[in-house]
Amino acid sequence: DQQVKQNSPSLSVQEGRISILNCDYTNSMFDYFLWYKKYPAEGPTFLISISSIKDKNEDGRFTVFLNKSAKHLSLHIVPSQPGDSAVYFCAAYKPGTASKLTFGTGTRLQVTL
Amino acid sequence: EAGVAQSPRYKIIEKRQSVAFWCNPISGHATLYWYQQILGQGPKLLIQFQNNGVVDDSQLPKDRFSAERLKGVDSTLKIQPAKLEDSAVYLCASSPPARGAGEQYFGPGTRLTVT
Repeated sequence: DQQVKQNSPSLSVQEGRISILNCDYTNSMFDYFLWYKKYPAEGPTFLISISSIKDKNEDGRFTVFLNKSAKHLSLHIVPSQPGDSAVYFCAAYKPGTASKLTFGTGTRLQVTL
Repeated sequence: EAGVAQSPRYKIIEKRQSVAFWCNPISGHATLYWYQQILGQGPKLLIQFQNNGVVDDSQLPKDRFSAERLKGVDSTLKIQPAKLEDSAVYLCASSPPARGAGEQYFGPGTRLTVT
């Protein structure tokens, strides 16, 4: 079963505008949520994370919002830049000895000039 | 600091053949993960090692997949015999001691094509 879902396979945004990527989850046991960015022929790289005790975390142009009641999180990129064009994966986990990441299916972001 | 190294980067084999992938994690990282990423999907954990012991291999198809991490450093993942549906990118990741799943560093992956 798909515990982490990204319903938009792709998104196109103009340079300078805001990009909003969405993610939904079904497992209420998840405590931490992360966003990874992946360029072609490279492995995913960590972008930003948020704990379930927070509703917002900001790092430069990247902000993640968490709505626990709706089991929904979003990544905002503002302003968007051409170098942000990549596939973005949402992931979640519950800390523990055998904690593991559960990934969404990814959203391909294209930032156009 | 050197990142996670994987080889080969690309591999094409016929079905029923065998193949092996190699991973060298970041120095000092105790936990090592192997993921399978099928086109259009997110990475799926196959197996997780803590040092040289297996922590989780619940999603590893053990009838054809095997993995080992000798001496708690390098790891190999083997498929024998391969099936068409094994075509995917195989990602290796590692994390520092006591940092858990939330701090993983990924290698570039091995793209496997089974014909």
